[in-house]
Amino acid sequence: GAVVSQHPSWVICKSGTSVKIECRSLDFQATTMFWYRQFPKQSLMLMATSNEGSKATYEQGVEKDKFLINHASLTLSTLTVTSAHPEDSSFYICSANRRREGTDTQYFGPGTRLTVL
Amino acid sequence: QKEVEQNSGPLSVPEGAIASLNCTYSDRVSQSFFWYRQYSGKSPELIMSIYSNGDKEDGRFTAQLNKASQYVSLLIRDSQPSDSATYLCAVTFNWGFKTIFGAGTRLFVKA
Repeated sequence: GAVVSQHPSWVICKSGTSVKIECRSLDFQATTMFWYRQFPKQSLMLMATSNEGSKATYEQGVEKDKFLINHASLTLSTLTVTSAHPEDSSFYICSANRRREGTDTQYFGPGTRLTVL
Repeated sequence: QKEVEQNSGPLSVPEGAIASLNCTYSDRVSQSFFWYRQYSGKSPELIMSIYSNGDKEDGRFTAQLNKASQYVSLLIRDSQPSDSATYLCAVTFNWGFKTIFGAGTRLFVKA
């Protein structure tokens, strides 16, 4: 159990276009999902916390108008990178929080590799 | 001081040896502790969780938690080359129920 999917697994786009990434919890409901970014050989960097039915909470330095997050249901959160530029090229990973017996555990999706030309 | 600290490594051990990975955290009011494994180019995968002081064993993995000393460790027995990866320690703090990840320790198991 606790499977999280992401789509697409990779995407190549032109500079200035927008890209939408979907994160789904397949066998559990997640009121909270997280979006991370990871550059090569670097640590995970939390971008934002996505809460079902409310606005996302962004980490310091992350532009909320550039990285739009929508958590429309208990199993789906989307991240849209608007007007993407080459510096946005990175590995984007979501995680979904599963609450069980009072404890919270994050399960990660497989990630989406974004390349902006 | 960072909230969750790990030695970046690399930690190199021979095949069949015990690999010992350590993690310290800065806040005493913490709730849950996790170890994730991340292969190069892949996303993290949960391998162990521990919530109370002591040891927890799962196959070749043993997690050890000492809340008084604020450290959590992961032992990998009979290390295999396939264990070569980055291991992330994560701690959920009671304030804000936020999970903080360490920067990870790179482990190399030499055949």
